[in-house]
Amino acid sequence: GAVVSQHPSWVICKSGTSVKIECRSLDFQATTMFWYRQFPKQSLMLMATSNEGSKATYEQGVEKDKFLINHASLTLSTLTVTSAHPEDSSFYICSAWDPYNEQFFGPGTRLTVL
Amino acid sequence: KNQVEQSPQSLIILEGKNCTLQCNYTVSPFSNLRWYKQDTGRGPVSLTIMTFSENTKSNGRYTATLDADTKQSSLHITASQLSDSASYICVVTRGGSYIPTFGRGTSLIVHP
Repeated sequence: GAVVSQHPSWVICKSGTSVKIECRSLDFQATTMFWYRQFPKQSLMLMATSNEGSKATYEQGVEKDKFLINHASLTLSTLTVTSAHPEDSSFYICSAWDPYNEQFFGPGTRLTVL
Repeated sequence: KNQVEQSPQSLIILEGKNCTLQCNYTVSPFSNLRWYKQDTGRGPVSLTIMTFSENTKSNGRYTATLDADTKQSSLHITASQLSDSASYICVVTRGGSYIPTFGRGTSLIVHP
């Protein structure tokens, strides 16, 4: 099946710094990718829809200036957490729909902000 | 309001036993229902996908059922293995939308 990768798999940073997370569709092109956040023992929460070549669509309550999304190509979307704070510590997961309308998730990125 | 409710919240079983997880949804109009397995610290992996006309679908030891009239689905795991320990998430997609609604998941622990 299709593969979606994320990098890095985990990152630890100091409060106030910015962190970039990459999401790649390895064997298909994805015009749309999704970014989720998951807190311990909680369900995945959709943060934003990333659209290739245009601005991302953010869910209500998600600060677009804090979570910058760039979908520069059909296989790459990036999520940058700007001025990260401890409350941003979470598990971030991206997903993409393949040409057969199947949704594949990345392996996730564990962000810890000290 | 479009919702997906899963039960039980957590489940502990012995290796080799069977178990059934439940999913009730109010998402409408309905497009499809997926069951995912999520290992701790990993992204979800698809187990089954069912559309309106499908009642049962199997994937190895996993069998999903769907009753679109009552808006209920179940995931049956046969002869459980230690590696089945994970969170099982029911995801329902609304017709005409690419954005799915996630259940909170059932945490399954299989003990030797």
